[in-house]
Amino acid sequence: DAGVIQSPRHEVTEMGQEVTLRCKPISGHDYLFWYRQTMMRGLELLIYFNNNVPIDDSGMPEDRFSAKMPNASFSTLKIQPSEPRDSAVYFCASSQDRGATNEKLFFGSGTQLSVL
Amino acid sequence: SQQGEEDPQALSIQEGENATMNCSYKTSINNLQWYRQNSGRGLVHLILIRSNEREKHSGRLRVTLDTSKKSSSLLITASRAADTASYFCVAGAGSYQLTFGKGTKLSVIP
Repeated sequence: DAGVIQSPRHEVTEMGQEVTLRCKPISGHDYLFWYRQTMMRGLELLIYFNNNVPIDDSGMPEDRFSAKMPNASFSTLKIQPSEPRDSAVYFCASSQDRGATNEKLFFGSGTQLSVL
Repeated sequence: SQQGEEDPQALSIQEGENATMNCSYKTSINNLQWYRQNSGRGLVHLILIRSNEREKHSGRLRVTLDTSKKSSSLLITASRAADTASYFCVAGAGSYQLTFGKGTKLSVIP
């Protein structure tokens, strides 16, 4: 398996523009997570899905952020409109439900977002 | 979910030395995981230790868990320059939400 695939690897945009980050989880994984990493705040969990259904989005910072998972092999994280403080590395991760909680996460390589 | 807190924040050692990182957490857990993050990359799972285990090995890694003290340690033996990375612990407490701390930044000097 190719692992969790994220695109783009780098995104530079101007304030006010819409940004869409994409993620393809590992085939067969039931859970998908979106994290954001900054120097100041570390890794923050934004939202996670189980079987394509959003379970907890309490980490989504504002209404400007939205996430979807239309099928088991694709998810998007959208920021509209983007602001400079959204600059961060955004990671997608997936895991497999084996009947136990807290199974290990497999991370993508991340998207480095810079909002000018 | 709950957050593990790593200590120290940064650690610098010579190649060949052992590196020890610690993790503390606050409530009862099901398991504890350690992850590594190389610069500019995503996190990679290293090892998972369950609450009924006290010690676990994987190659040059040794993890201990002390549930009475709510702490864990990660030992990397005979460190290499390639071990230079940030290391995170995550305490699993029965939720699929895994909250990461700030990590320990390890520098191994050749």
